[in-house]
Amino acid sequence: QSALTQPASVSGSPGQSITISCTGTSSDVGRYNYVSWYQQHPGKAPKFMIYDVSNRPSGVSDRFSGSKSGNTASLTISGLQAEDEADYYCSSYRSSSTYVFGTGTKVTVL
Amino acid sequence: EVQLVESGGGLVMPGGSLRLSCAASGFTFSSYSMNWVRQAPGKGLEWVSSISSSGDYIYYADSVKGRFTMSRDNAKNSLYLQMNSLRAEDTAVFYCARSLSNWYRGFDFWGQGTLVTVSS
Repeated sequence: QSALTQPASVSGSPGQSITISCTGTSSDVGRYNYVSWYQQHPGKAPKFMIYDVSNRPSGVSDRFSGSKSGNTASLTISGLQAEDEADYYCSSYRSSSTYVFGTGTKVTVL
Repeated sequence: EVQLVESGGGLVMPGGSLRLSCAASGFTFSSYSMNWVRQAPGKGLEWVSSISSSGDYIYYADSVKGRFTMSRDNAKNSLYLQMNSLRAEDTAVFYCARSLSNWYRGFDFWGQGTLVTVSS
C-alpha cells in the first residue's frame, strides 16, 4: 500500500503563505472527498487539522485551509507563524476499505 | 474531555507477541469507530487497522493482515490490538485514534502512543 506523495520540506517566512501538496491516485484522493490533514510537533501526537478536503474542526485556526484538484490535495497555511513549524501529513480513504497517509512534509519557519 | 490512553508497549523478540490496549474516556465510546496508527522512529504515519463502533467490521493494512487482530470491548470502553509474529519492521509508536463519524473520514482525537520495540 503506497503512501500519498508529499514534498519532504516546505519553508516560508513569518506572515507568508505556504502550500503543501499531497498527490494520490484515482483510487484515493481523486475518487473520494475524504482527505484529512494532521499537524505533528516533535514528540507529540498528531493533531487533526482538516477533514473532508476543506473542513476545519472547531478550534483550528482559519489560517489553515484545504483544497483538492484531481488526484492532488493541498493544505495552505496563511500568515505563517513560528508555532506552525511542524510535520504535516495528509491522509485519504482508499478503495478496498483501506486508508493511507502521506509521506509527510516538514514545515520550517525561516 | 476526550482521552485516549494506550498501554502494553515494550520490548519483544522477533516472532513474539504483544497486546496493546487503549482506554477511552470523555465520550460515548460505543458510538465511534476506532483506529490504530503507527509511526516508526523518524518515519511517517502508517494506518494499521480500523474497527466499526459495534466491532462488526474490521479493516487491516496489508502489512499486518494475518498477524494483527483488532478488537474492542464497549462495556469497558477499551480498544485492543493483538500483535503476533512480530518483526523488526513493526518497531514503532502505536497510536490509538478516534474516527470522525465514519471510520474513513479522519481521526479527530489521538492518544499519546505506546512504543513497541521488536529486537533480539
